[in-house]
Amino acid sequence: EPEVTQTPSHQVTQMGQEVILRCVPISNHLYFYWYRQILGQKVEFLVSFYNNEISEKSEIFDDQFSVERPDGSNFTLKIRSTKLEDSAMYFCASSAGTGHTGELFFGEGSRLTVL
Amino acid sequence: AQSVTQLGSHVSVSEGALVLLRCNYSSSVPPYLFWYVQYPNQGLQLLLKYTTGATLVKGINGFEAEFKKSETSFHLTKPSAHMSDAAEYFCAVGKTSYDKVIFGPGTSLSVIP
Repeated sequence: EPEVTQTPSHQVTQMGQEVILRCVPISNHLYFYWYRQILGQKVEFLVSFYNNEISEKSEIFDDQFSVERPDGSNFTLKIRSTKLEDSAMYFCASSAGTGHTGELFFGEGSRLTVL
Repeated sequence: AQSVTQLGSHVSVSEGALVLLRCNYSSSVPPYLFWYVQYPNQGLQLLLKYTTGATLVKGINGFEAEFKKSETSFHLTKPSAHMSDAAEYFCAVGKTSYDKVIFGPGTSLSVIP
């Protein structure tokens, strides 16, 4: 069964360092998303991406965040200068898009720990 | 704007008992509704979804949910709890087949032997 894969599964970084989280969405999907879940809290929307551009972003997704689809398969989330409060689980998701039943498929997540 | 509330951040049931997890939503357009489950240290797995049509939807692992427009609810039920059902359950709402989904705060389900 097709699945969304994320790497790394866990990354530890120092405050102020840049981090790139990688995702490989399901191959025929068109819409891509990043979500964040701080430990013990709800799953929060960060950004959605379609046709090589951001379609929507939340207020959490400030200038330190960026997303990119550098090739036909990867979808990345970059955090430019990490802060302690960026420590969270980051989930990538993809969706087939229009004409389908609207299900987002999620990856297993990348746990980011900022020290 | 869309939003989701889940009554009860933590629910405990005995093994074999009925599971009822509550979800209410707010949406300005006909909603797409979802229940996701998250097992410890794992990702989000879709349990079931409502898009259009039949209001009672069946999902995996014996779970089902009923869309009640008049009550803006989408409660999740399972007739008989199993130990393996212990997990975090998230209700979510979306606007279209490709829009982001907005998650509720989650309900942690414990199953007591």
